[in-house]
Amino acid sequence: GAVVSQHPSRVICKSGTSVKIECRSLDFQATTMFWYRQFPKKSLMLMATSNEGSKATYEQGVEKDKFLINHASLTLSTLTVTSAHPEDSSFYICSARALSPGLAGTEQYFGPGTRLTVT
Amino acid sequence: GQNIDQPTEMTATEGAIVQINCTYQTSGFNGLFWYQQHAGEAPTFLSYNVLDGLEEKGRFSSFLSRSKGYSYLLLKELQMKDSASYLCAVMDSNYQLIWGAGTKLIIKP
Repeated sequence: GAVVSQHPSRVICKSGTSVKIECRSLDFQATTMFWYRQFPKKSLMLMATSNEGSKATYEQGVEKDKFLINHASLTLSTLTVTSAHPEDSSFYICSARALSPGLAGTEQYFGPGTRLTVT
Repeated sequence: GQNIDQPTEMTATEGAIVQINCTYQTSGFNGLFWYQQHAGEAPTFLSYNVLDGLEEKGRFSSFLSRSKGYSYLLLKELQMKDSASYLCAVMDSNYQLIWGAGTKLIIKP
């Protein structure tokens, strides 16, 4: 089956620093990758949608200058949290959608998530 | 606006059957998904319904009625490992997933 990896799985950083999270599709090409954040006991909140080679589309209320997304290849997208603050502490999850849209839902695969703690 | 409703929490007994309901109002419809999410982990895909009716996959079944904007996930022969949150999501006309808040299922021995 399709596998999506995320790195790191857990990171603790100091307030004011930047953190980069990588999302890779290991055995398929992902034209579209999605970045979500999830607070404890809450549902997934879509932050942005990124398509390979183009700028990410951010959801309303998500600061694009704070959450930098780069989708440089069909297998890699990165999310950089810049000037992190304690309120950015959350569980960040990426998902990747494969090239052929015919079976839309079954082709969105989730990474294992990255737990970010900002002290 | 777009809206997905599902119960916040349900409790069931090991070995029993539980049905988790989901109602939705979205701009367009390209399928409904159920995901399972254990605490601290990413969601894992359970089922996808785009046509009306029941889809059975082992102990789990998912039902869809597009005219009623309604779906349910049926879990049979419950096991302790089924304790998790179950997320209902609808793909809208733009092929974006709209997520429900999730139903926390607690299984008791």
